[in-house]
Amino acid sequence: DADVTQTPRNRITKTGKRIMLECSQTKGHDRMYWYRQDPGLGLRLIYYSFDVKDINKGEISDGYSVSRQAQAKFSLSLESAIPNQTALYFCATSDKLQGFAQYFGPGTRLTVL
Amino acid sequence: AQSVTQLDSQVPVFEEAPVELRCNYSSSVSVYLFWYVQYPNQGLQLLLKYLSGSTLVKGINGFEAEFNKSQTSFHLRKPSVHISDTAEYFCAVSRSGTSYGKLTFGQGTILTVHP
Repeated sequence: DADVTQTPRNRITKTGKRIMLECSQTKGHDRMYWYRQDPGLGLRLIYYSFDVKDINKGEISDGYSVSRQAQAKFSLSLESAIPNQTALYFCATSDKLQGFAQYFGPGTRLTVL
Repeated sequence: AQSVTQLDSQVPVFEEAPVELRCNYSSSVSVYLFWYVQYPNQGLQLLLKYLSGSTLVKGINGFEAEFNKSQTSFHLRKPSVHISDTAEYFCAVSRSGTSYGKLTFGQGTILTVHP
C-alpha cells in the first residue's frame, strides 16, 4: 500500500464550483504540504502544516484553503474554482529524522473548465 | 530565503553515456539538499539527499551528487544512463536545522535518453 495517497486522482470541474482534494498518509510524519505543479514552473507551495494545530500559507495560497483533520489527513479546498487553477496537485509529508526529506503522493490532475 | 537554479531545462543524451544535471543554490544559511525524480504521470520520488558529512552522496538507480559549498552547487551525475532514466529531475533546498522543513524547488530538468 502506498504511504501517501491522494483522492481523487483526476477531476474535471466547472468554474465557480467548490472542490476538495484529500491526502492521507501512513508514514507517521508530523508535517504535511500541498503543492501545485505547472509546466516550466516546478513545484510551488500552497500550504503547509507542521502539526494539527499549525497551518501556514505558502507562496501561492490565494484561492485555496486547507484543513488538517488529523495527523494523517490534510485536505485542500478550492472555494470557487477558476480555470487558472488547472494544474497537477501534490501532497507531501516529512519528518525531521529524515532531514525533512519530503515524500510525495501520486498527484491529482485537476481541470477547471 | 533560499533559491534554486537548475541550469538546463532539457538534457538529451544517448543510452550508456554519462550525464550531469546541474543545480546551483543560493542561501545565507546552512542547507540540506535533495534531488527528486518524476517519471511520467507519477509523483516525485526522492533520489538522494545531502544533510551533512561526506560531500559525495549516493542515491538510488546509480545516481550520485556532489555538494560543493564554495560553488553553492549540487550537481547530479550518472556514469551510464538507461532508457528508463528518462524523466524530469528536480533539485530542492531547505534550511538546515531542527525546526524548519520547507523545500524550495528548482524548475526541473527533463532528461531524455535516446537509444
